[in-house]
Formats: sequence, C-alpha cells, structure tokens
Amino acid sequence: SQQGEEDPQALSIQEGENATMNCSYKTSINNLQWYRQNSGRGLVHLILIRSNEREKHSGRLRVTLDTSKKSSSLLITASRAADTASYFCATDPTGGSEKLVFGKGTKLTVNP
Amino acid sequence: DAGVIQSPRHEVTEMGQEVTLRCKPISGHNSLFWYRQTMMRGLELLIYFNNNVPIDDSGMPEDRFSAKMPNASFSTLKIQPSEPRDSAVYFCASSAVRTGGLRQYFGPGTRLTVT
Repeated sequence: SQQGEEDPQALSIQEGENATMNCSYKTSINNLQWYRQNSGRGLVHLILIRSNEREKHSGRLRVTLDTSKKSSSLLITASRAADTASYFCATDPTGGSEKLVFGKGTKLTVNP
Repeated sequence: DAGVIQSPRHEVTEMGQEVTLRCKPISGHNSLFWYRQTMMRGLELLIYFNNNVPIDDSGMPEDRFSAKMPNASFSTLKIQPSEPRDSAVYFCASSAVRTGGLRQYFGPGTRLTVT
C-alpha cells in the first residue's frame, strides 16, 4: 500500500475541540511533512519534522514522530472553522531522491 | 514572490484533443514536480525535474503524457490525445535545492475535464 497513510479518512469536530490526525509510513525517512489543502486549492506546507526529532510545535499545531513505529501525528488545538480542510502527510524517503510521497489525506470538518 | 503559477486554471476539452498545461515555478527553485489528483487515486506524482532535467517519470501513466522543461522558469505537461479518464486536477510544485528538507510549494492547479 502507499507510504504515508493518514487515519482517519474523515474527521468532524466542533469549534474549540482538538483534532488529531495520524500518519503511518513504511520506509526510512529523512523527514516527514504535513500539508493542508483547502477545497479547490493547492497544498500548503504546514510543518516539517526531521527524523531525529520527536516533537515540533508551530502555533496551534503539534507534530510528533515515532520512527520506531513509523508513525506521526498532527494535533490541531482549539480548532476553528477556518481549519476545515484536507490534511496530508508526506514523507521524504532516504535514498537521495527529491520525491515526496503523499498519503491520501484526512478530511477535517470543524463545525461552528 | 508570486508563487507557483499555473495556466489555465480550468480546461474543458473533448476526447481526442491535445491539452497543454503550463507552469512557472518560483524563481530560484531548481526542482519542479507535476502531480495529478483525483478522488479515487489521491495525489500522484507524474514526473519531476531537477535543474531542468527529467529525473523520474515513472508516474507518467502512458505515452499520451509528455512533459518538458525548456528553461528554469517554464514547464509544460501535454496530453495527446486526451481521454475522459484524464479528467483530474493537475498541480505543479517547486522546491529549492536540498538543504535539509524538501518543502514543496504548490500552484493553484489546473482542473481538466475531458468530455
């Protein structure tokens, strides 16, 4: 199956709640990135975590990485209606290629 | 910076016609990627260039698809002849030389509909 599989596929929460999305991957990586895609738009980079890092924060975003389990999670705290979007993880596999491998994404809906 | 520019934003064409999608990467970026996104298959990498040279075209679905990058500021993705199953959103993305992370900057996409 494709590297970079997000879970859940869809998530619906109320404004103010936290949203957690997970990503699993299969091979060794240099880093893992999370992107957001609003409906009808291109993907926008949110945060990058390197393979030697375990946790990273950016504003209301918190990303964790467990290389032993080949998994990552994205936590959005105090969600807002504007956070409604699809969220993708992308892995940068070791091996020298410039390719990122994207998952199929989690569709997050934040209800006002 | 204007970001990655793609044209056209929307394209509707009939089966059998030639389609050309265009991309202008961010100035100074030396890697360019073409992706296709559909509900069924998600985001697929078609081809990527580094310093204007095609590096990996293993994602190009068949010979009807071709891509060129004649210079650092322009790339095209051509489909000839087009088929209804080519209907998708096509994204172009660019990134800078590997410096510890490959953040990609995406264009707004071209929504292609083949009838």
